[in-house]
Amino acid sequence: RKEVEQDPGPFNVPEGATVAFNCTYSNSASQSFFWYRQDCRKEPKLLMSVYSSGNEDGRFTAQLNRASQYISLLIRDSKLSDSATYLCAAHPAAGRRALTFGSGTRLQVQP
Amino acid sequence: SQTIHQWPATLVQPVGSPLSLECTVEGTSNPNLYWYRQAAGRGLQLLFYSVGIGQISSEVPQNLSASRPQDRQFILSSKKLLLSDSGFYLCAWRPEWLAGESDTQYFGPGTRLTVL
Repeated sequence: RKEVEQDPGPFNVPEGATVAFNCTYSNSASQSFFWYRQDCRKEPKLLMSVYSSGNEDGRFTAQLNRASQYISLLIRDSKLSDSATYLCAAHPAAGRRALTFGSGTRLQVQP
Repeated sequence: SQTIHQWPATLVQPVGSPLSLECTVEGTSNPNLYWYRQAAGRGLQLLFYSVGIGQISSEVPQNLSASRPQDRQFILSSKKLLLSDSGFYLCAWRPEWLAGESDTQYFGPGTRLTVL
């Protein structure tokens, strides 16, 4: 089983729709979690970090469910510019200094 | 502010040739540095990370190596490239300590390597 798993998609949604992605993690000791956005042929860019139950930034909301070991990303009022691949990452445990990434979920927002 | 640079941006190399990719970070000191590889349509694979000068941890055994000759410089090398080494190579840094963001990693622009 992969440490961090995501539905690869693609998620095809119309402009203005609300879309949610889930990401599951296998290491219960993971302390912090991140969502990155990656545009085609570009580097991942940090979208949100999640250290406790959740985080909200404008149209984007991330939630953490430790009991079920998943984090979610909710995007409201989708824009064409939201089209990208969204990567989930977990910091596995103290002592290991690197994030573990999922393979990404592709979102395509259509006019 | 902190910035991270990678070069070259793109590279086409024949099988069996050597490789040297460079990553430098500005505006910070003693960062943790990482090399990742992303194959086409795949996720990020951690290759190496470094917590200080001369300190390298290898995550995946392969024909690549890494070095950190200076605090803010991280180099990825190979003596003989394989076809399977093609991919998007990303360098990342993490501040040694930054309130509220101690685990966050920031990526450089990447090097797209094609081995023919």
